[in-house]
Amino acid sequence: AQSVTQPDIHITVSEGASLELRCNYSYGATPYLFWYVQSPGQGLQLLLKYFSGDTLVQGIKGFEAEFKRSQSSFNLRKPSVHWSDAAEYFCAVERGSNYKLTFGKGTLLTVNP
Amino acid sequence: DTAVSQTPKYLVTQMGNDKSIKCEQNLGHDTMYWYKQDSKKFLKIMFSYNNKELIINETVPNRFSPKSPDKAHLNLHINSLELGDSAVYFCASSQRGAPTYGYTFGSGTRLTVV
Repeated sequence: AQSVTQPDIHITVSEGASLELRCNYSYGATPYLFWYVQSPGQGLQLLLKYFSGDTLVQGIKGFEAEFKRSQSSFNLRKPSVHWSDAAEYFCAVERGSNYKLTFGKGTLLTVNP
Repeated sequence: DTAVSQTPKYLVTQMGNDKSIKCEQNLGHDTMYWYKQDSKKFLKIMFSYNNKELIINETVPNRFSPKSPDKAHLNLHINSLELGDSAVYFCASSQRGAPTYGYTFGSGTRLTVV
């Protein structure tokens, strides 16, 4: 069965610092990969997605992610974090005939002033 | 206009009651989903409907019954509510294809069973 692992439960960074959130997937073939963000009390917003082609994908709010097939990873990055980026971040994979979206357990990002 | 809207936003009820959550999407998508987010923020799919046909039915107690009257609406009825049903329930929609280009989520319904 496919699975998604986000190794970091909680990350704290200072405002203006760079950010990398890790995501690893386990699947026989390359799945479709997504990053979502959930602000407190809100629903999930799609940040970016990867299906094929260029392995570096750009998303909204200045985020980018890089797909590395050899490492089965799809890490999320941002060069300079803003206080408003504090939220829960979820990596997700989609595969199968029913296009089921399976989420990792999330990484909580705290931003210090 | 809200793309995926859920009602109610908050629901507090006693054990043993029956309750429903409604979801509507105006994106023209043909597939809708219910996800449950537990207290540890873990998101797990419960059901999915494609053009009113149930296509995903995960291991969910049969006290939970989804209904899709048309492809723009997906409701979730829960019978005999239990304390463990307390969670945030998210509705989502997508256009089925290869791939779906991502789901659009509603803002969630926080269910508290007391």
